Amino acid sequence: EAGVAQSPRYKIIEKRQSVAFWCNPISGHATLYWYQQILGQGPKLLIQFQNNGVVDDSQLPKDRFSAERLKGVDSTLKIQPAKLEDSAVYLCASSFQSRANTEAFFGQGTRLTVV
Amino acid sequence: GESVGLHLPTLSVQEGDNSIINCAYSNSASDYFIWYKQESGKGPQFIIDIRSNMDKRQGQRVTVLLNKTVKHLSLQIAATQPGDSAVYFCAEGGWDDKIIFGKGTRLHILP
Repeated sequence: EAGVAQSPRYKIIEKRQSVAFWCNPISGHATLYWYQQILGQGPKLLIQFQNNGVVDDSQLPKDRFSAERLKGVDSTLKIQPAKLEDSAVYLCASSFQSRANTEAFFGQGTRLTVV
Repeated sequence: GESVGLHLPTLSVQEGDNSIINCAYSNSASDYFIWYKQESGKGPQFIIDIRSNMDKRQGQRVTVLLNKTVKHLSLQIAATQPGDSAVYFCAEGGWDDKIIFGKGTRLHILP
């Protein structure tokens, strides 16, 4: 079974520039998550999709971050404009969304450095 | 803020000994609790989960204990191996499948 795919693997940008990350979840997984993981901390949930609808985006800084999952499969996360404090690993995860199965599968993440 | 946290940031264990990683949580309404392992440069990997109506669950070399009275969760790893070196996160999930992570404990295996 193919895992969660993310790209790019690494990205370095200057502050105030824009950046976009892409995620392809595991086939058949209805739930998709984007997390931000700052070095030395646990992943922080930014947004959760159920198919192409948003379940929770309460922690997403909406003045600069946006995410979409138009066809209920792939998803993109965008930051515009980036700030120094956005430097982090951005993780995408997906799950089957079943009460009997709580396992979420994570991609390797995109490491963003804002200089 | 986060409702799931850990007591110790770093744990050093002799190879072959058992490891116990602890976690405190504050949301008594969580449906389930999950342990993840994260190796350097990789995303978190699911280890084991436990429903809120259980107090113990065993997997291969791992056991998770849940004490709802004191809102405490632990992960026990038997016969710790070098490959167990990683950061371990506890996380909690609810009816909406939202998964909230704690801060993590780094497990260091001594030769």
